[in-house]
Amino acid sequence: AQTVTQSQPEMSVQEAETVTLSCTYDTSENNYYLFWYKQPPSRQMILVIRQEAYKQQNATENRFSVNFQKAAKSFSLKISDSQLGDTAMYFCAFMKPIYNQGGKLIFGQGTELSVKP
Amino acid sequence: KAGVTQTPRYLIKTRGQQVTLSCSPISGHRSVSWYQQTPGQGLQFLFEYFSETQRNKGNFPGRFSGRQFSNSRSEMNVSTLELGDSALYLCASSLVGTQYFGPGTRLTVL
Repeated sequence: AQTVTQSQPEMSVQEAETVTLSCTYDTSENNYYLFWYKQPPSRQMILVIRQEAYKQQNATENRFSVNFQKAAKSFSLKISDSQLGDTAMYFCAFMKPIYNQGGKLIFGQGTELSVKP
Repeated sequence: KAGVTQTPRYLIKTRGQQVTLSCSPISGHRSVSWYQQTPGQGLQFLFEYFSETQRNKGNFPGRFSGRQFSNSRSEMNVSTLELGDSALYLCASSLVGTQYFGPGTRLTVL
């Protein structure tokens, strides 16, 4: 069975600085997706970034980038130029795709990030 | 394009009652998944529907059930509610692997 572990329950960062959130996972699958979602106080779950396991290039989305180390089963999220609006709970998630549609997301425990002015 | 919608947003029930939650996916998305979020257990997968068929099921008792209609809208039902069913229930729809979430339904069982 797949598992996802986020070892940092809480983190804080000063506005405009860079922060890295850690995630490790365990799977015997070769083809899978990894995601980072953020959940602000509104509780709306928002997709931050997605990485396909077969792609060696790390995904980036504006200020958000990942460091995907497939052999080490590590998937960290770097947030550059942190903004107050980045304050949220961040979840790392694993999914084995089914026929390229949907699938079952397995979530980590979450990291609560506070961005301080 | 409109996002995933869930109704109702908030619900208060008493033990023993049953409840039905609704989810309308993003237009064109055929897969709908449901998750339960609690402070103690975190985010747990309930079930997934694709083209009106349950394709995947999590480790929840039979009191939790769901269905999907021909327009891809989905409902989940919880019968004989227990205090421990109090949670945020999230619905997500997907097209090609990525799941997009609705705002959730906050269920409180008294």
